[in-house]
Parts: sequence; C-alpha cells; structure tokens
Amino acid sequence: DAKTTQPPSMDCAEGRAANLPCNHSTISGNEYVYWYRQIHSQGPQYIIHGLKNNETNEMASLIITEDRKSSTLILPHATLRDTAVYYCIVRVSRPGGSEKLVFGKGTKLTVNP
Amino acid sequence: DTAVSQTPKYLVTQMGNDKSIKCEQNLGHDTMYWYKQDSKKFLKIMFSYNNKELIINETVPNRFSPKSPDKAHLNLHINSLELGDSAVYFCASSQSGIGELFFGEGSRLTVL
Repeated sequence: DAKTTQPPSMDCAEGRAANLPCNHSTISGNEYVYWYRQIHSQGPQYIIHGLKNNETNEMASLIITEDRKSSTLILPHATLRDTAVYYCIVRVSRPGGSEKLVFGKGTKLTVNP
Repeated sequence: DTAVSQTPKYLVTQMGNDKSIKCEQNLGHDTMYWYKQDSKKFLKIMFSYNNKELIINETVPNRFSPKSPDKAHLNLHINSLELGDSAVYFCASSQSGIGELFFGEGSRLTVL
C-alpha cells in the first residue's frame, strides 16, 4: 500500500511555479522519496528522487523537510505540457529488484494558459 | 531508439482467449517489471524479474505467466482472458532495482 498522501488535484498558471506537496510521515531512515509523473496514459516518467538533501535537476527541484516527513516537488516554470498526474513514492533502494515501487493515487496537476 | 518497447500497443480479444504482450529494453538493465493500470488508473506491480529470475509475484492469478528469455526481454502471457483483465499493462526496467524505473508506453488490452 502507498505510504504517501497527496492532494488529489491542483491547478497552476502557465509560467508560474507549481509546488506539489507530499506527506510521508512513516518514512524510514533508508527510504528515498521518488517522484514520477504520468502524462495522459503514457508510461510513467521519472522526475527526481532524494534521501535527505534537497535535489535539483533539469526538470524539477525536490525539497525534503528536515524531519523527512514531507516533501515538495517544484516545477519552476510550469508549461501546458506539465499537465499530468504526479506520484510521490517512498522506496528503499535495494539491489536485486526485490523492493516494489508502490504508486498511490497521485496529484492531478492542471496547468492553465 | 525506444528504451523500453512493448508490443502490441493495442489488443482487443474475446473472453477465454490466450494472448501475449512482449517487452524489450535496450538500456542494459538487469531488472524488468510488469505493472497493471486498471480503469480507475491505479498502477499496481504484478511481477519483477532480476537477471531472468522471478523476484516479485504480487498475488497475480496463475493465468498470468511472465517469461524472461534473457535480461532484455520480459513477456507476459495471459490464459483464459476475463473481462476484468481489461487494463493497460506497462513494462518497466531498472538497473538492479536501484534508481529510476524506465517505463514503456503501455499495452492496452480490451477483453470483450
């Protein structure tokens, strides 16, 4: 079962920052926070992941609170193509494929013109 | 080149038939997965294979039989198809189960 809580939907104006929150209050010390998105029934796409520190890549930034019980995915300048369902997932990184990537319901982000 | 490719993209068939979906990845990964996304859009893991060995079998009916002939391929065969099998099936791969999963575009199965 999913161990994260996300709002079911959010809206954002094109060109503005989209801040997507995620609660993971039962996260363990060795669990990473991963974000994926799914654009209109395409295959899910990896965005970013982190353990403790904030992370940034070409797609987004990930801010993890100091107690690691919540995080925020930031899309700095949202475009219409960022309209998608965003999934926040906690996951242990373990070799051998034995751990599961468990998807919750995600947040449906709609970027409006 | 597509990193994770699935065939067919669409499959319409009658109840009771047997069908297969094929998946290939050219990323050199050693772990492959099958996920099912139902009409309510929930994505659920079905199987994972690491180096051709079954690692996760997520209480899927034994009508579903995955087969991994080599690390780059993971096929899904479904016997005696039922209406409830209608869904989008996604294949994915990763390296040793660490890091990000790369998903295929999905195979939409419709059982009539």
